[in-house]
Amino acid sequence: GNSVTQMEGPVTLSEEAFLTINCTYTATGYPSLFWYVQYPGEGLQLLLKATKADDKGSNKGFEATYRKETTSFHLEKGSVQVSDSAVYFCALSSSGGTSYGKLTFGQGTILTVHP
Amino acid sequence: EAQVTQNPRYLITVTGKKLTVTCSQNMNHEYMSWYRQDPGLGLRQIYYSMNVEVTDKGDVPEGYKVSRKEKRNFPLILESPSPNQTSLYFCASSLLLSGSSYNEQFFGPGTRLTVL
Repeated sequence: GNSVTQMEGPVTLSEEAFLTINCTYTATGYPSLFWYVQYPGEGLQLLLKATKADDKGSNKGFEATYRKETTSFHLEKGSVQVSDSAVYFCALSSSGGTSYGKLTFGQGTILTVHP
Repeated sequence: EAQVTQNPRYLITVTGKKLTVTCSQNMNHEYMSWYRQDPGLGLRQIYYSMNVEVTDKGDVPEGYKVSRKEKRNFPLILESPSPNQTSLYFCASSLLLSGSSYNEQFFGPGTRLTVL
């Protein structure tokens, strides 16, 4: 079955530091890949997506590239801010069959950014 | 405003007392789903629905029921809640895109349930 593995957290950084959160996946076929963000007390919001190999998703300074050869979708940001403190989830969605529409999530990574 | 709403946001109950968590979306989405979020496990799908009167089990359906009598509503029913159902629950919805694996799901704000 499908699975997503994220680097274990929590991650604590100083403002303006470089961020990487690793994500690898196992899936059949050609999944779409997502990063969702959950701010304290809120639901999940889509941060960025990539739907095919070598696509780069980007939003709010965050980037992730769909690497089929390494089955990875690592999240990066060059300079984090205190407002980026949140929980980040890597997820995939497979096409067709009974799994249509289902998102498979990683366990989440808590990011805390200090001033 | 396009949104997914859930009620209640917080609920404390006792073992065996039936409860319903409501979910409603105003985006005319065909697909709706319930997830539960537990520490270290991420989100896991409980049930989903691809349209009115069409529902199916996700990965962790035991102890839950759902119904989809209207397109906009997808309530989650716990007939006899137990402490292991203490969790954070999210409802989500999306369009159904034929022939595509991409489906951006929009999430509600969550319902924190505690079963004593």
